[in-house]
Parts: sequence; C-alpha cells; structure tokens
Amino acid sequence: DAMVIQNPRYQVTQFGKPVTLSCSQTLNHNVMYWYQQKSSQAPKLLFHYYDKDFNNEADTPDNFQSRRPNTSFCFLDIRSPGLGDAAMYLCATGQETQYFGPGTRLLVL
Amino acid sequence: SQQGEEDPQALSIQEGENATMNCSYKTSINNLQWYRQNSGRGLVHLILIRSNEREKHSGRLRVTLDTSKKSSSLLITASRAADTASYFCATDYGGNTPLVFGKGTRLSVIA
Repeated sequence: DAMVIQNPRYQVTQFGKPVTLSCSQTLNHNVMYWYQQKSSQAPKLLFHYYDKDFNNEADTPDNFQSRRPNTSFCFLDIRSPGLGDAAMYLCATGQETQYFGPGTRLLVL
Repeated sequence: SQQGEEDPQALSIQEGENATMNCSYKTSINNLQWYRQNSGRGLVHLILIRSNEREKHSGRLRVTLDTSKKSSSLLITASRAADTASYFCATDYGGNTPLVFGKGTRLSVIA
C-alpha cells in the first residue's frame, strides 16, 4: 500500500496562475518534507515540518508556501509560478530514513 | 554547502558486471544513506550505514564507509537492466537537521 501519496501526478498551469500540490502520508510520522527536483539534479529541500514547527530553507523562493493542517497532510502552494518553477516536486516523510511519494511533475506554460 | 559529491556522474555497464559509485562529504555525520530513483519517480531508500560501521550488505548491495576519508561507496554486484536508475547518497548530520543529498550517479545497465 502506498505510504506517501501525491496528487496530482502531473500538473499543468499557466505562468502566474496559483497552483497547489498535495501530499498525504499513512505512516503517522511527525516530519514531512517538500523537495524540488529539476532534470538530472539532486532533490533540493524547500521546506520541512517537525510536527507543526515549520522550517523554511534560506533559498526557497518567496512565492513558495506550505501548509500542514494535520499530521497526515501537507500542501505546497506556488503563488505565482514562473517558467523556472517547472520541475518535479517530491514529498517525503520519515525520521531517520525518508519515504518519498511518486512526485508531481509541474509544467508551466 | 554541505552537499556531498558523487562520482562518477554517469556510469554505463553491461548486464552482469559490477557497478561502483562513490560519495564524498565534508563534515562528521551520524549516518549515510543511499537512495535509488527510477526515471520520473520518487526516491527509494536502499541502505543506511552508521558512522561507527564500516561495511554493510543488503542483497546485491554492498556499502562501505570510511570516516577518515569522509567517503562512502555503493557496490551493486551482478547488475541487471532493472538496476538502471539514478543513485543518490544522503548524509545525516544529526541534530534534527534534514538529510543532505548528493548530486547523484546515473547508472545505465545494458542488456
């Protein structure tokens, strides 16, 4: 059974049109992560939560925000997507090792 | 940056051969982990080696850790076409800090 679920798997948006990506986990871990991954690059950490304690990486763009309404769910909001935001977005959970979702591929037109 | 370095960036081998990938890091770690990523998918955890361990095995995977050289290697023995993927090392520096992923090695196993 899937432990980390991401929806949608593919998302197409227009330049400047807000978009929300969602993630849910069934492992009941208190830590969740959002990564951005561009082609042939390492995942780049955007945010992480320890419970409701939100941690924003220093170089995460201001138009990226996140919400975690409860332990199981986490959202990534991109307020005004630019062409450079086209990427794979990965959600993960786990204390020592990380369990990743399948990712959402975002295309910005 | 604490990001680790992996080499080679890309590796192409014949099925049945062994594949070795290396990872170097910069400061003391709690543990080092290897992940695999198939094209267009999420990462999958393969193996974790702690700072007080020198070698670990899991199936066809063998991981070594040399803390004096701040380096690790992942060996895949008797490779298969299905091993074709990107492999990332990730270092855990402890203290509730997130994992730091290396740049990855793209492995192609040719049948």
